[in-house]
Amino acid sequence: NAGVMQNPRHLVRRRGQEARLRCSPMKGHSHVYWYRQLPEEGLKFMVYLQKENIIDESGMPKERFSAEFPKEGPSILRIQQVVRGDSAAYFCASSPQPQEKGYTFGSGTRLTVV
Amino acid sequence: AQKITQTQPGMFVQEKEAVTLDCTYDTSDPSYGLFWYKQPSSGEMIFLIYQGSYDQQNATEGRYSLNFQKARKSANLVISASQLGDSAMYFCAMRGRMDSSYKLIFGSGTRLLVRP
Repeated sequence: NAGVMQNPRHLVRRRGQEARLRCSPMKGHSHVYWYRQLPEEGLKFMVYLQKENIIDESGMPKERFSAEFPKEGPSILRIQQVVRGDSAAYFCASSPQPQEKGYTFGSGTRLTVV
Repeated sequence: AQKITQTQPGMFVQEKEAVTLDCTYDTSDPSYGLFWYKQPSSGEMIFLIYQGSYDQQNATEGRYSLNFQKARKSANLVISASQLGDSAMYFCAMRGRMDSSYKLIFGSGTRLLVRP
């Protein structure tokens, strides 16, 4: 029973490149959340998706960031034209439905922009 | 707006002793949930304990207990009989039930170091 799988664990990108972060939710989970953690800070909500739908993107920067959760395959968080300030840990979490008692997090992707 | 405050950037505790990590919150939502997560140096987020705002009793999970004082808007985590493996960052978080997306609002965390 695999947990929430995120890959890659570590990603290095040069300024101006694109970063694609993948999240495979737990089996049977159709709700995915993305959070960002800057160094020495707590997690900040970015976006909440259900299969093929963005439900809440109130935490997403207006430019360069996008997210999708297609009918088949993992959820993707895409950052275009990365800048040094995008360096952070990006966590994905999933649940079978909006959960009263929270959800399961993946191990995160650590993005470093050089 | 919802807010979580953790005022202790770092804490020390002697192995086998108990430690309390502070968390206060602010919300206008009449119904909400409070969470604690542990983040070891390896980076993953580990769920520890949950408290619903209408739960009559304080939540407990093994060596973890949540000291929930609703009037004071505090939800402190108590770790009993500390172990070396408890050294980690600890995050308090909350979710308002009026928020249909169930997103979590996190505090800034407390770094706990357990001394042998």
